[in-house]
Amino acid sequence: QQQVKQSPQSLIVQKGGISIINCAYENTAFDYFPWYQQFPGKGPALLIAIRPDVSEKKEGRFTISFNKSAKQFSLHIMDSQPGDSATYFCAASIRAAGNKLTFGGGTRVLVKP
Amino acid sequence: NAGVTQTPKFRILKIGQSMTLQCTQDMNHNYMYWYRQDPGMGLKLIYYSVGAGITDKGEVPNGYNVSRSTTEDFPLRLELAAPSQTSVYFCASSWGLAGAGYNEQFFGPGTRLTVL
Repeated sequence: QQQVKQSPQSLIVQKGGISIINCAYENTAFDYFPWYQQFPGKGPALLIAIRPDVSEKKEGRFTISFNKSAKQFSLHIMDSQPGDSATYFCAASIRAAGNKLTFGGGTRVLVKP
Repeated sequence: NAGVTQTPKFRILKIGQSMTLQCTQDMNHNYMYWYRQDPGMGLKLIYYSVGAGITDKGEVPNGYNVSRSTTEDFPLRLELAAPSQTSVYFCASSWGLAGAGYNEQFFGPGTRLTVL
C-alpha cells in the first residue's frame, strides 16, 4: 500500500522557471512532511520540511504548501537553476513513532539552461 | 564530523551468499535506519533502531537482520542473498527528540548491491 503518492515522475523546466511537485498522503497520523533532494550516486539530503499546523514554509527559492484537509502538499522551486537538476522525494512520518519516513516515488527534475 | 558512513560502496554477491553492510554515525544520534532504493523508486524502510539494543522492523524486513550494540553502529545482515535484494541501501540517523530541528534524517552515501 503506497501511503504517499508523488507526481509527476519527471519534469523539464527552463532556467528561471517554476518547478512544482505534488504529493498526497493517506495516513492522517503523519505529522512531519520533509522534502529530500538526491543527486546521482549520492544519498538523499533534507531540503525543507513542514509540520501540519503550518500551511506554507519558505526557505530561499524553495516553498512547501500544505493542505491538511485535502491531505496534499507540494514543493515549489522558484527561479529554477541548472544546479537544481536532481531527484526530489516527498516523505511523511509520525514523529512519536520512530519518525520512520514513508517516501513518495520521486520526481526527476531537469532544468535546461 | 564524517556524518553517516557506509561500507562497502559496491558489492556483487552470488545467490545464497551472505554479507554485512556496515553503517556508522559520529553525531551521537539516537535513531538509526536502513532503507533500500530500487531503480526509479522511492526509498523503503527495512529496519530501524531507537537506541542501542532496540531494533524493530520496517516495511520490507524479510531477508534481512540488524543489531545495534552501540550508539554509533547499525549493521545490516543479508543471510541468503536473492536477486530481489539487488538495490541501493542507505543508512540514516537522526536525534529522535521531539523538538523542532531534531527530526532531520541524515543519510549515508549508500551501498550498491547486485545479486547474481
